Amino acid sequence: EVQLVQSGAEVKKPGESLRISCKGSGYSFTSYWISWVRQMPGKGLEWMGRIDPSDSYTNYSPSFQGHVTISADKSISTAYLQWSSLKASDTAMYYCARGYGESYIDYWGQGTLVTVSS
Amino acid sequence: QTVVTQEPSLTVSPGGTVTLTCASSTGAVTSGYYPNWFQQKPGQAPRALIYSTSNKHSWTPARFSGSLLGGKAALTLSGVQPEDEAEYYCLLYYGGALWVFGGGTKLTVL
Repeated sequence: EVQLVQSGAEVKKPGESLRISCKGSGYSFTSYWISWVRQMPGKGLEWMGRIDPSDSYTNYSPSFQGHVTISADKSISTAYLQWSSLKASDTAMYYCARGYGESYIDYWGQGTLVTVSS
Repeated sequence: QTVVTQEPSLTVSPGGTVTLTCASSTGAVTSGYYPNWFQQKPGQAPRALIYSTSNKHSWTPARFSGSLLGGKAALTLSGVQPEDEAEYYCLLYYGGALWVFGGGTKLTVL
């Protein structure tokens, strides 16, 4: 069974750093991309970027380039999304999702709620 | 800035048929945009329904179908069920490994 299991909810202060994770199981982790998707409270989905776990090649949406870093450790089938200095506007639910080439995104993680508040 | 536009809301009666569309600010949507469709219910993660315009995942109910219609990607629900009430998002591929979601359509079954 394909599963993407994300790390738990986080509460942080502005300026703090954070890394959240997404662990894949039930499939060959290096054969599929992992995308990250943001959903701000009451809003729609936003594609942030993706990583090819086989070589850690990344692509970012222009809206998120430079604000977040996507990485992966294929030895433990885990992808990461990290911030070096959080802002209140980073408060959102973040999802990871598995994708294949340009054609599809299929399985999703359960989401990680990040709350940034002073 | 590329914008993908969906109907903000639609209402359909149980058993009816409804079509949701997905337009691109860059022009007509073609198969080369690899349209994907997702369903999201309140408090849940999105669920994939359709990929590459019209292909269904193994779990996608038969009443969901995807197509290209008048320069847009389209998702048609035939024989709508009460449990189909949800938010629906399209996702388009713009090349260079850039994907953009539409703003979502809130489907009410009434």
